[in-house]
Order: sequence, then structure tokens, then C-alpha cells
Amino acid sequence: QKEVEQDPGPLSVPEGAIVSLNCTYSNSAFQYFMWYRQYSRKGPELLMYTYSSGNKEDGRFTAQVDKSSKYISLFIRDSQPSDSATYLCAIYTGRRALTFGSGTRLQVQP
Amino acid sequence: GAVVSQHPSWVICKSGTSVKIECRSLDFQATTMFWYRQFPKQSLMLMATSNEGSKATYEQGVEKDKFLINHASLTLSTLTVTSAHPEDSSFYICSASGTRDYEQYFGPGTRLTVT
Repeated sequence: QKEVEQDPGPLSVPEGAIVSLNCTYSNSAFQYFMWYRQYSRKGPELLMYTYSSGNKEDGRFTAQVDKSSKYISLFIRDSQPSDSATYLCAIYTGRRALTFGSGTRLQVQP
Repeated sequence: GAVVSQHPSWVICKSGTSVKIECRSLDFQATTMFWYRQFPKQSLMLMATSNEGSKATYEQGVEKDKFLINHASLTLSTLTVTSAHPEDSSFYICSASGTRDYEQYFGPGTRLTVT
């Protein structure tokens, strides 16, 4: 079983829609959960991270962790064409490096 | 936010030659630097982890004699692809972390094409 799994999409939504991106993970001991955004041919950009359970909000972005179901989510409100990118969830497993999901390609149609 | 740079952004080389890629943390001291490889439409795969002044730790399946990593200072790590072959063509990305391992900042990546 992979440590983190993510639906690769692609996901296409109209401008202004609420986007929900999700990952599941295997080990309930994991505590740090990250979301990265990667534009084509660029390095990933850290959007936000959460520790343990709960929500974290930053502008139009909300990260949510449900440790009981081992499920992490990123919500994007009022999505914009500039949000079109690949979104990667990542988990810090404690072995210094991050383990990434496969990434979900998002396309926001104007 | 923390800034990590990579140089070059794109390199083309002939089969059998070596290529060096630099990764720099511009506004913080990177305790640890990481090198990833990414194939088209795939996720990032960790190649190795390096700490300043220490030998790099390579992931299983990564040839350490082929992918030489040097982390000479707290702001600079280099990846040298030795005797490159077409199958080494890929997108190489470094990241760096400071005091918090889980908070990694990525460089813009280097696209390597071996002909």
C-alpha cells in the first residue's frame, strides 16, 4: 500500500467554482501534511501545511485533515484560471524527506 | 517566503558527458537539501538527502556513483550527473529545509536533455 494516494484527475471546473482536492494516507502516526502547487515546468510551491487534525485557512485556500479517516483535503474557493496547476499533497513521515501524492491536475475554465 | 534557486534551468548535453546542477538557498541556511527527479506527468521521486558537510543518503535504486551530490555549505548543494545517458533525461528539482524538516522549499527545477 502506498503511503499517500491522490486522484490524478484531471479536474476541470468553471471559474468561481469551489474546488476540492483530496488525498488518503496509510499511517495514522503521520502528523504533518502539506499542499504544494506546481505549474508546468516549474518547481512545487508550498501553499500551506497543517499539523495533526483540523483546518487551516489562508485566503481562498483551506486545508483540512481528518485523522480518523486518514484523509486530507484542500479547498479552493472562488477558483481562478490562474489556479490551473497540478496540486500535490505531501506527508512528512519523520524520515526527513517528504512523501508526495501523484498530484491532481486542475484546470479552471474562464 | 524562503527562496531556493537552481542553475541551470535547462541543459542539453551529449551522451557520455557530465552535467552539474547547482541548488542554492538564497535567504536562509539550509540544514538539509533534497534532490528529486520528476518524469512528465508523474510525481516527484526522492533521489537523495544531503546535510552540509556530510555524505548524501541515497534512496534505494539510485546509483550514488552516477549521481554525485555535494553539500559544501549551508546554502549550496550540487548534483552532478556523470556519464549521462538519454535515460537520465528528466526534470531535476532540489528542495531545502531549515530548522523544520517538514517545511521544504523547492527550486524552480532543471530540465536535463541528454542526446
